[in-house]
Amino acid sequence: RKEVEQDPGPFNVPEGATVAFNCTYSNSASQSFFWYRQDCRKEPKLLMSVYSSGNEDGRFTAQLNRASQYISLLIRDSKLSDSATYLCAARGTRNTGKLIFGQGTTLQVKP
Amino acid sequence: IAGITQAPTSQILAAGRRMTLRCTQDMRHNAMYWYRQDLGLGLRLIHYSNTAGTTGKGEVPDGYSVSRANTDDFPLTLASAVPSQTSVYFCASSDFPVLASGDEQFFGPGTRLTVL
Repeated sequence: RKEVEQDPGPFNVPEGATVAFNCTYSNSASQSFFWYRQDCRKEPKLLMSVYSSGNEDGRFTAQLNRASQYISLLIRDSKLSDSATYLCAARGTRNTGKLIFGQGTTLQVKP
Repeated sequence: IAGITQAPTSQILAAGRRMTLRCTQDMRHNAMYWYRQDLGLGLRLIHYSNTAGTTGKGEVPDGYSVSRANTDDFPLTLASAVPSQTSVYFCASSDFPVLASGDEQFFGPGTRLTVL
């Protein structure tokens, strides 16, 4: 079992829809979590960091559930420009900056 | 230079050849990382360096080596390339140990490597 797992999708949703992705992690010592956005043939770019229970930035909300060991990303009012792959990542312990990434979830927003 | 640069952008390489992928950052980050990204497998860590002069193995280190002679540069070398090393390679850096600015990683634009 991978240390960080995501449903690869693809998720196909209409414009304006609300969509949620889940990401599970197996290392209970993980300290911090991240959602990255990756456009086709481009590098990942940070979307949100999650250090405590959650984080919100406009239409995007990330939540952390330590008891169940998952983080979620909610996108409200989806735009065509939200179409991308979303990667979740977990930092393992305090003494390393290494991140473990999930395999990514592909979102396609259609008109 | 702004952020992280990688070179070359893409490369086609004959099996058995030696290849060095270059990575340079200008953010004065202590830590740097090399990942490979393959379809369906996501980003996998090859090697990392927490600070200049130190390196460590990641999830898939075999067939790769790195060096960290200074803060800015973190080259990745394939001593004798094999077709299974065909992939997209991303270099990243972070401000580890964690400072108030956060511990997220910043990525370079990637190198597309094809080994024939």
